[in-house]
Formats: sequence, C-alpha cells, structure tokens
Amino acid sequence: NAGVTQTPKFRVLKTGQSMTLLCAQDMNHEYMYWYRQDPGMGLRLIHYSVGEGTTAKGEVPDGYNVSRLKKQNFLLGLESAAPSQTSVYFCASNRGNTGELFFGEGSRLTVL
Amino acid sequence: QQQVKQSPQSLIVQKGGIPIINCAYENTAFDYFPWYQQFPGKGPALLIAIRPDVSEKKEGRFTISFNKSAKQFSLHIMDSQPGDSATYFCAAGRTGGGNKLTFGTGTQLKVEL
Repeated sequence: NAGVTQTPKFRVLKTGQSMTLLCAQDMNHEYMYWYRQDPGMGLRLIHYSVGEGTTAKGEVPDGYNVSRLKKQNFLLGLESAAPSQTSVYFCASNRGNTGELFFGEGSRLTVL
Repeated sequence: QQQVKQSPQSLIVQKGGIPIINCAYENTAFDYFPWYQQFPGKGPALLIAIRPDVSEKKEGRFTISFNKSAKQFSLHIMDSQPGDSATYFCAAGRTGGGNKLTFGTGTQLKVEL
C-alpha cells in the first residue's frame, strides 16, 4: 500500500521555467492538499481539493495553480518559477470525515 | 497572520526526560488539535490528536493537555528516548470546510543519551 506518492522528489529550475508536481494517492480519499514547508515557518497550505474536479485556494496560493481531474491525483503547477518558491512541497490526503491528513514524503524544489 | 503559535523552536533533553512543547491558537472555531511528528527526509505523520471536549489525552508515552479557556494546548513526551528526536508540529483545524489544518512553526527535539 503506497499511500501518498509525490513525483519528482527533487527538481532544480531556473527562474521563469515552469513545472508540475504530481501527487497520487491510493486510499480513495476525497480531500487532497498541497503544503509548502520552509524553515521557521511550518507548513503553509497552498491549495486544496474536496473532490474530483474541485479546487480551492489556501493560505499562500499566489504563483501556483492546481488541478484535480481524477480523484486519485492532485497536480501542482508553477507557471513561471521564482526563487521565493524554493521550498519543500508536501501533498496530503484526507478521508473527508476525520481530521487526519496523510502526507507524502515531499518534493524538494530549488529555483535558481 | 499566524493563527497557531508554537514554542520552543528547539529543545534538547536527556534520555528519560519529559520535553514539553506548547501551542496557542486564536480561532475559537477550531475543534481539532493534532500533533504531527516528522523525521528528516520524511513527511509529517499524525502522532496524537484531541478535540476540545476533553482536557487531556494519552497515547503511550505521548500526552496532549488542552486548556480551552486559555486557547492553549501542549504535548508532553514521557520517558523520552533518542528515537523521539524529530520535529514536532502542532496544528489546529475545523471539521468540515475542507478539514484544513493550520500548522505551528515546529519544534526540533533532540533527545541525548
């Protein structure tokens, strides 16, 4: 049982480049989330989804877009990467009836 | 704005000691207060959680104390072990509305032999 899988695990981008992070979960969870983790700032919610075809903004959505075309996948896109987006990105999922979030192992992104 | 404040930022204790990590929240609509444990290179994992209808919850060596009137909650680790060395995050959320969690800034705990 893989749980929540994130790809890629590491990526280096140049300023202005675009990329997509993929999150896949095999637990049939309704809700999915993208957080970013920065030193001294904890985890901050970027976007989330409460079901297939839905997305909503979190605390720090600017510069990111998301899509949830299939229930098991949640994509995070950066259209024009900036150095301020250098971070570790975590995807999480939730069954929808409890508060527990299940996290992936993270994707470390560096923007030069 | 930071809705969940966590302290201390780092903590070093001796094996067998009882580290205590504190959190304070502002939003009285929060009704779910979990603690997550994170090891280097891994994602956070749920350790223990409490709802505001109880003042304390124990699971093994981990205890959450909750003070609703003060809007504070804390994590105690009894008989701490080197294997407990990790980063701990408190969080707060409201059931429904996406089950979103607001996290504290984290506490790096080191348990020395």
